[in-house]
Amino acid sequence: DTGVSQDPRHKITKRGQNVTFRCDPISEHNRLYWYRQTLGQGPEFLTYFQNEAQLEKSRLLSDRFSAERPKGSFSTLEIQRTEQGDSAMYLCASSSDREGTEAFFGQGTRLTVV
Amino acid sequence: QKEVEQDPGPLSVPEGAIVSLNCTYSNSAFQYFMWYRQYSRKGPELLMYTYSSGNKEDGRFTAQVDKSSKYISLFIRDSQPSDSATYLCAMRLTGGGNKLTFGTGTQLKVEL
Repeated sequence: DTGVSQDPRHKITKRGQNVTFRCDPISEHNRLYWYRQTLGQGPEFLTYFQNEAQLEKSRLLSDRFSAERPKGSFSTLEIQRTEQGDSAMYLCASSSDREGTEAFFGQGTRLTVV
Repeated sequence: QKEVEQDPGPLSVPEGAIVSLNCTYSNSAFQYFMWYRQYSRKGPELLMYTYSSGNKEDGRFTAQVDKSSKYISLFIRDSQPSDSATYLCAMRLTGGGNKLTFGTGTQLKVEL
């Protein structure tokens, strides 16, 4: 296990379509995070899970967004009825819950809505 | 006003120069401070991590945190063309699920 894996790396979709992204965290990490990054900006927090429980959601996560982590391992992020403003890099990160340990990021999924 | 402010650059320096990158923040409750490096179209890579105030050195990189001034810095000595990337500062509270608040990132170019 070499790191956080995200799939797909790139996704082009038409406005109004649904898309789903997958994240596989580092195997011993029980926390998993989703961030969104637009061009020229730093990543912005969307949501995080501890094991299978979704513990916090940002106001950025509108009703069209849903994230799951059904067995406490991989996670999916679904965007329904995509809009052009959803075009961004979606980053997944994972960490352990031991204080003082930090998060490691995947390579991201770049979404383009046309 | 953003919680974390970072000059976006771009910053261009000659090879071998000492680079200074900085962030200021407004939330005095932040306790953990990180620097991530991000190459174009890649995910952020953790470079340095510091708890509370003080300095930390790792090879050519030195991170400084001054909580009294709400100011953090990253110094890169003997900069190399391979250091050309965007440098993101990030910080978080104690506990809080490791949720990070990032700066906008500073784009650095080290030229031959």
